[in-house]
Amino acid sequence: DTEVTQTPKHLVMGMTNKKSLKCEQHMGHRAMYWYKQKAKKPPELMFVYSYEKLSINESVPSRFSPECPNSSLLNLHLHALQPEDSALYLCASSQEGLRGLGDTQYFGPGTRLTVL
Amino acid sequence: AQTVTQSQPEMSVQEAETVTLSCTYDTSESDYYLFWYKQPPSRQMILVIRQEAYKQQNATENRFSVNFQKAAKSFSLKISDSQLGDAAMYFCAYSGGYQKVTFGTGTKLQVIP
Repeated sequence: DTEVTQTPKHLVMGMTNKKSLKCEQHMGHRAMYWYKQKAKKPPELMFVYSYEKLSINESVPSRFSPECPNSSLLNLHLHALQPEDSALYLCASSQEGLRGLGDTQYFGPGTRLTVL
Repeated sequence: AQTVTQSQPEMSVQEAETVTLSCTYDTSESDYYLFWYKQPPSRQMILVIRQEAYKQQNATENRFSVNFQKAAKSFSLKISDSQLGDAAMYFCAYSGGYQKVTFGTGTKLQVIP
């Protein structure tokens, strides 16, 4: 099973709302990732969790707060977002959470976020 | 820092024909991996093919093959017998380790019936 699932598929929120994006994988992968993707652009890495610990934070604003409750789940908590944060948010997972060389990343279908 | 360049923003190919998508990269590392990912309009990113830098043999996956030129830092994707389902955005990507993947800007492939 090479599936990464993400919920919800679509999310519309106001700038004062608090919401969460969820990601789940059951492939036994120990690295999980959050990416932000704008239309017609490549994914931009936001966070990496390795063995349930935050290993990379690409200087993402604090209004985005990641959480990894266990090795299968990854959340992204959203608060006080701006309209420019509207994008497709992709989750991915891969094997070998340490050095990660050559790890194929398996992507979820994404959550389309619109901030009003 | 590693960079990945895809110089063809858009390409088109007739159904059943062959098309080649270009990718160049820049790195000072000797050990790394290269990928081609496909993102159809339905948006899920799917791995097409992976190449290990220490392997001289070019990777192939059914109708998809790569031309990996390590000295020239070139990694092109050839799609043979193009099908309508091949229409998508194709991203070339580089992984030198530590979980970071660098993506190119993408090539949008159109398949003409």
